Amino acid sequence: KAGVTQTPRYLIKTRGQQVTLSCSPISGHRSVSWYQQTPGQGLQFLFEYFSETQRNKGNFPGRFSGRQFSNSRSEMNVSTLELGDSALYLCASSLVPVGAGHNEQFFGPGTRLTVL
Amino acid sequence: AQKITQTQPGMFVQEKEAVTLDCTYDTSDQSYGLFWYKQPSSGEMIFLIYQGSYDEQNATEGRYSLNFQKARKSANLVISASQLGDSAMYFCAMREGLANFGNEKLTFGTGTRLTIIP
Repeated sequence: KAGVTQTPRYLIKTRGQQVTLSCSPISGHRSVSWYQQTPGQGLQFLFEYFSETQRNKGNFPGRFSGRQFSNSRSEMNVSTLELGDSALYLCASSLVPVGAGHNEQFFGPGTRLTVL
Repeated sequence: AQKITQTQPGMFVQEKEAVTLDCTYDTSDQSYGLFWYKQPSSGEMIFLIYQGSYDEQNATEGRYSLNFQKARKSANLVISASQLGDSAMYFCAMREGLANFGNEKLTFGTGTRLTIIP
């Protein structure tokens, strides 16, 4: 069974640009969560999608948005990039939503975004 | 207040020794879950073990066990017979909220960098 895939793996952008990251969950998984990982702030929850609906959102500005398609693939978009958006963006998939008890999340390799 | 506290930023352990990674948590929820993840230098997060707040027995998965002390709000990870491949960052995480209400969230600690010495 293929794992969670994220594309692209590495990305370099300049301030003010926008970026779209993609995540393909494990087949059959309907929940996709996004996390931002930085040395200073650690791992922070961005949002979770389940069956094409956003279930939860972390404390991030509106520049961060996402969506999920009918095949459970998810995209995350960041508009008007800032230097502080440089981070490793991790996507995780699971069969059911995060809150549903023993729900193991499977993480992808991440997309490393560098904003210059 | 920090929801998840990992007080050991780094640890060095001799190969084949057991190691305990500390994690304390703070929540007012009655129903919650605790997770441990491993992140090697490659960056991918690997699930290790889960403990539910209502689970009466400590969780075990192979060489990993979770020392769950509910009254103390601690969920320490114990790795027995450590191996060189165990060198990685280890994150403790807590799931709060209930799926029925759509308010659940997963909060991670700052991590512990474990280095196994041959």
